[in-house]
This record gives sequence, C-alpha cells and structure tokens, in this order.
Amino acid sequence: DAKTTQPPSMDCAEGRAANLPCNHSTISGNEYVYWYRQIHSQGPQYIIHGLKNNETNEMASLIITEDRKSSTLILPHATLRDTAVYYCIVRVAKQAGTALIFGKGTTLSVSS
Amino acid sequence: GAVVSQHPSRVICKSGTSVKIECRSLDFQATTMFWYRQFPKQSLMLMATSNEGSKATYEQGVEKDKFLINHASLTLSTLTVTSAHPEDSSFYICSARSGSGNEQFFGPGTRLTVL
Repeated sequence: DAKTTQPPSMDCAEGRAANLPCNHSTISGNEYVYWYRQIHSQGPQYIIHGLKNNETNEMASLIITEDRKSSTLILPHATLRDTAVYYCIVRVAKQAGTALIFGKGTTLSVSS
Repeated sequence: GAVVSQHPSRVICKSGTSVKIECRSLDFQATTMFWYRQFPKQSLMLMATSNEGSKATYEQGVEKDKFLINHASLTLSTLTVTSAHPEDSSFYICSARSGSGNEQFFGPGTRLTVL
C-alpha cells in the first residue's frame, strides 16, 4: 500500500471548518483513500473513503486532487468532540485478508 | 455501521498470569479479524490477522506462543496474553471485516495493565 504523509498536529476553532491534508504521491490506480479517526482511549472510527471523485457523508467531505496525489478531509463545522487523531490510509479495496496499516496521523485539537 | 464489541474494557492482572480478551462482531459475520496493540502516544500496530477456522498470521516480532489467537466462529475471536509481564501493558484493539465489505470495523479496545 502507498505511503501517506500528514502533518503531526493541527488546531481549529469550534464552529470553523477543519481541513486536514494528506499526501499520497505514490498512490496506485486501484488504491482508495480511507480516513479514520481515534478519539482518546477509543477504537478507530471510520469516516469516509474515496477513489477519485469527491465524497461527502454526514460526517465529512473528502476532496481528492485530480492527479490523486493528495487529498483533504473537511469537517465543515468542527466541534469539541471532533478532537482526535485522524488517520489517512491508502489501500486497495476489497482485500479481505489484509489489514489497515496506520501511520502517525494528525492530532486535531478543536478549542472553544 | 457495523458493531464490534470487546470484553473486558479494562483489566488489571498480576505478572505471570494469563488474560483473555474477547472480540465479537454483533451484526455481521466477520470472516477476517485483526488484532492491534497501541502503546501510549503511539499509533496502532498490527499484531496478527486471523481468518475464521484458520491459524492466525502474526506480524514480524509478535510471539505467537505468547499471544494466542482463536477465531473459532464468524462472530468471535479471542486474544490470550499468556504469562503477562508489565511490558505487555497496552491498549489492545480488535477489528473485523466481512467477506464482502470494504470497511474494517473496530472494537472499543481493552486496556491491559500488568502489575
């Protein structure tokens, strides 16, 4: 699976949009971009994933550049409960036997 | 999304004893389950992958005789930490995936403290 690079930490004011970047310049054509987050002392939580089109769900939006070498996770109105470590992971979909491999992620701190 | 549970949520044990952690998929059949370990201020590290009815595949550096994994059914996997030592104190997280799904669902984790 392709390697990803994320900033170690980011700050965001409550109510503002949080834009979390991820670089994945070696991504292959059949690899998806997944985002998970981990709130302190809990298991990771799935957020969103995409291949090349932008995606949106009730939690977030995922913007993938046209060359697919980078992406941005957008939390449109961050709340204090969004404070967590956010992981960007690139992998081939439907590889039932292979696990998600986590990097260091970005620690997002949302403050009032 | 699908629900994965773990039991217990936290356990404290004496050095030299064995501890069993259960992982259950509550509303789907998990053909593959994964076990991770997370030390303070570090990321999740994959320990092993298990497919129902088969022996687990362990990552390099993980002792299979110390961390016994059983995946006897499509909804239950267990991790037994044998002869636990203080350095085994960690946050253990299981994860499950169905045969047809892209998503990998995670349990809430088990905090193990070995005295």
